[in-house]
Amino acid sequence: DAKTTQPPSMDCAEGRAANLPCNHSTISGNEYVYWYRQIHSQGPQYIIHGLKNNETNEMASLIITEDRKSSTLILPHATLRDTAVYYCIVRVANAGNMLTFGGGTRLMVKP
Amino acid sequence: GAGVSQTPSNKVTEKGKYVELRCDPISGHTALYWYRQSLGQGPEFLIYFQGTGAADDSGLPNDRFFAVRPEGSVSTLKIQRTERGDSAVYLCASSPRTGGTGELFFGEGSRLTVL
Repeated sequence: DAKTTQPPSMDCAEGRAANLPCNHSTISGNEYVYWYRQIHSQGPQYIIHGLKNNETNEMASLIITEDRKSSTLILPHATLRDTAVYYCIVRVANAGNMLTFGGGTRLMVKP
Repeated sequence: GAGVSQTPSNKVTEKGKYVELRCDPISGHTALYWYRQSLGQGPEFLIYFQGTGAADDSGLPNDRFFAVRPEGSVSTLKIQRTERGDSAVYLCASSPRTGGTGELFFGEGSRLTVL
């Protein structure tokens, strides 16, 4: 699976949009981009995934660049409960669903 | 509905002892995964099962670690002759199937402390 690069930490004001970047310059054509988050003392939680089109669900939006070498996870109105470590993962489809986690971005939402 | 259940939530043991950690996946999920997470690090893959068989055990660090899933549902991670370096949170996840774009559903983990 391709390697991803994320900033180690970010701050965001409560109520504002949180934009979390991820670089995956070596991504292959059949690799999906997944985002998970891990709130303190809990297991990771799935947020969203995409292949090449932008995606939106009730939790977040995922914007993938046209060349697919980077993506941004957007939390449109961050709340204090969104404080967590956010992991960007790329994974080959049909590869057993195994996820390889990096260090992630620690997002701190501040009042 | 019930999520992935892991027991015990906390386990303290002494160096050299044997430990078993249990994972009860979401009903009907055929794929089950074990991860290990040390403080400040992302989860590290250990092993995954498709049904009863271990489809990939490449992440097990050494032969002191072993996992089973005899009936294709509950899984047990077994650690022999525990060492202080085994201290970590052990996470279990399940998914409905392998392949496709399936997401993983994680439990809250079992925190193992080896004194």
